[in-house]
Amino acid sequence: GESVGLHLPTLSVQEGDNSIINCAYSNSASDYFIWYKQESGKGPQFIIDIRSNMDKRQGQRVTVLLNKTVKHLSLQIAATQPGDSAVYFCAEKTQGGKLIFGQGTELSVKP
Amino acid sequence: NAGVMQNPRHLVRRRGQEARLRCSPMKGHSHVYWYRQLPEEGLKFMVYLQKENIIDESGMPKERFSAEFPKEGPSILRIQQVVRGDSAAYFCASSQYLAESSYEQYFGPGTRLTVT
Repeated sequence: GESVGLHLPTLSVQEGDNSIINCAYSNSASDYFIWYKQESGKGPQFIIDIRSNMDKRQGQRVTVLLNKTVKHLSLQIAATQPGDSAVYFCAEKTQGGKLIFGQGTELSVKP
Repeated sequence: NAGVMQNPRHLVRRRGQEARLRCSPMKGHSHVYWYRQLPEEGLKFMVYLQKENIIDESGMPKERFSAEFPKEGPSILRIQQVVRGDSAAYFCASSQYLAESSYEQYFGPGTRLTVT
C-alpha cells in the first residue's frame, strides 16, 4: 500500500549548522511531494514542494531533493536557527488529492 | 486574508457525547480536507469535501463519524458517541483548486479533542 516514512524520528543540530531530514516513499506513481513544519500546538505549515519531474528545488534557506530511483526525498535547511525547531513531515499527494504524511522528524536546534 | 479557521481550539467531551468540529476554509477555497493526528504520530487523512459534496471519505471510520460542507457556512466534522480513542488533534485544510500545475493545502490550527 501507499506509505511515506521518515528514517529518523529525532535530529539534534547545533545552531548555524545545516540540517538534513530524510523521507522514503513507496508509491512510485506519486507526482507531488511537500514538506511541512509543525510547531507545538499548531497546524502544519507549508515549507516547500516539488513535483516528480524535478530533482531539486530551492527556497529561502531550504532545499528539497528528490531521488525517484530510490524513492527518497530530503529537506535541507541551511544555517539552522532556533526558530527552526519543530517536527517536520514529508507528505505525498495522491491522485485523488489527499495527502499521505510520514511519521515526522523532530528537529532540535542547540544554541 | 484570513487563514483557515477552526473552532473550538480545545474540546472536552465525556464518553458517549457528541463532538462537533468546525472549519472555515480560506476565502475563495472550495476544497476542504480533514485529518486526524494522534500523539507522536503523523496526520492521517479522513475525508475530502467540496461544497455540498463528499469526494473521498476513505479515511473516515464507518460508524459515528460524519462530515459535511454545506453551500453556506463552515465544514463540520461530527463525531457521535465519542470514545477515549477519539482523543486527538483534528486538522482541517483547504485548497483553492485541484490542478496539476498548482496545488497547496493550507492547514488550520486544529481542534484538540479530549474524551474523558
